[in-house]
Amino acid sequence: GAVVSQHPSRVICKSGTSVKIECRSLDFQATTMFWYRQFPKQSLMLMATSNEGSKATYEQGVEKDKFLINHASLTLSTLTVTSAHPEDSSFYICSASTSGGSNEQFFGPGTRLTVL
Amino acid sequence: DAKTTQPPSMDCAEGRAANLPCNHSTISGNEYVYWYRQIHSQGPQYIIHGLKNNETNEMASLIITEDRKSSTLILPHATLRDTAVYYCIVRVAGGNQGGKLIFGQGTELSVKP
Repeated sequence: GAVVSQHPSRVICKSGTSVKIECRSLDFQATTMFWYRQFPKQSLMLMATSNEGSKATYEQGVEKDKFLINHASLTLSTLTVTSAHPEDSSFYICSASTSGGSNEQFFGPGTRLTVL
Repeated sequence: DAKTTQPPSMDCAEGRAANLPCNHSTISGNEYVYWYRQIHSQGPQYIIHGLKNNETNEMASLIITEDRKSSTLILPHATLRDTAVYYCIVRVAGGNQGGKLIFGQGTELSVKP
């Protein structure tokens, strides 16, 4: 099956710093990648949809200047949490899909971000 | 908002069938029913999906009612490794929504020895 990786798997940073999370599709080309956030004991919340070579589409209430998304190639999307604060501590998960997101989404293993 | 309703939790004995219900009474004609599961601290895993016919794969079976307002995911012989949160999601394949998955609260399935 299709494999999606994320790096790092876990990161701890100081408040005010920026953190970059990578999402890679290892054995297929992903025209669309999705970024989710999950707080403890809660469900996944879709943050944004990114299509290769174009600007990401953010869900309502998600600050695009705080969560910078880049999808520069068909196998890599990055999420940068800028000026991170403790309330940004969460589990960040990406997924990748082909054909504009109409097919199954394959999820990465997630990145645990802890902001001190 | 999620368009599905699931019981928050269920228990199942190891080796028995696990039947997970899902209500999606407002489903549209072009929306599929998808099931994913999430084992603790991992990314979600695709299980199965269907439009109106029942579906079966190596992991599970999906039974969709004739009116499409509800469905049941069946794990025929549950094992301890099937303990996870199971999400039922209705989703348009393609189109303007780009295939977004909107997760509800899911059902936390506990398989017990």
